[in-house]
Amino acid sequence: GAVVSQHPSWVICKSGTSVKIECRSLDFQATTMFWYRQFPKQSLMLMATSNEGSKATYEQGVEKDKFLINHASLTLSTLTVTSAHPEDSSFYICSARDELRQGNQPQHFGDGTRLSIL
Amino acid sequence: GENVEQHPSTLSVQEGDSAVIKCTYSDSASNYFPWYKQELGKRPQLIIDIRSNVGEKKDQRIAVTLNKTAKHFSLHITETQPEDSAVYFCAASMGTGGFKTIFGAGTRLFVKA
Repeated sequence: GAVVSQHPSWVICKSGTSVKIECRSLDFQATTMFWYRQFPKQSLMLMATSNEGSKATYEQGVEKDKFLINHASLTLSTLTVTSAHPEDSSFYICSARDELRQGNQPQHFGDGTRLSIL
Repeated sequence: GENVEQHPSTLSVQEGDSAVIKCTYSDSASNYFPWYKQELGKRPQLIIDIRSNVGEKKDQRIAVTLNKTAKHFSLHITETQPEDSAVYFCAASMGTGGFKTIFGAGTRLFVKA
């Protein structure tokens, strides 16, 4: 089945540091990937749609200069949290769908990255 | 944009009883409705899904129903077991916008042995 790999799984760093999170589709191609943020005991909030070879589409209220997304290949999207502060601490998770399968298909999720900013 | 509401936020049942979780969506263009189960600290796992051309789907102890007219869909778990305890999310997705998926707020299900 479709596998999405996300790294790192856990990051602890000082305030002001920029953190890059990688999301890879291991056995399928994905021109579109999605980045979510999840606070404890809350739902997955869609942050942005990552588009291969073009700019990401951000949801309302998400700062594009704060959360930089790059989707340079059909199997890799990266999310960089720039100049991270404690309020950016959260669980970040990416997803992708196997686009060779026609029609609307389930999203496959990475394992998520737990980001803790001190 | 799409908005998905989910109820209840918490559900506690006795082992062997049934559990029902209900969701509504706002955008009639949504045509795919997956349900995910998420255990603490782990990725959401797809447990069942339904498409807009189907009214009901069943997989062993899990069933999902869809009412397109009312924009309602529901998850039914029968003969619940302690290992069913988790957070369940409904979601809605449409065939445009890259098939982005919008999630409900989640239901924390407790199955008491």
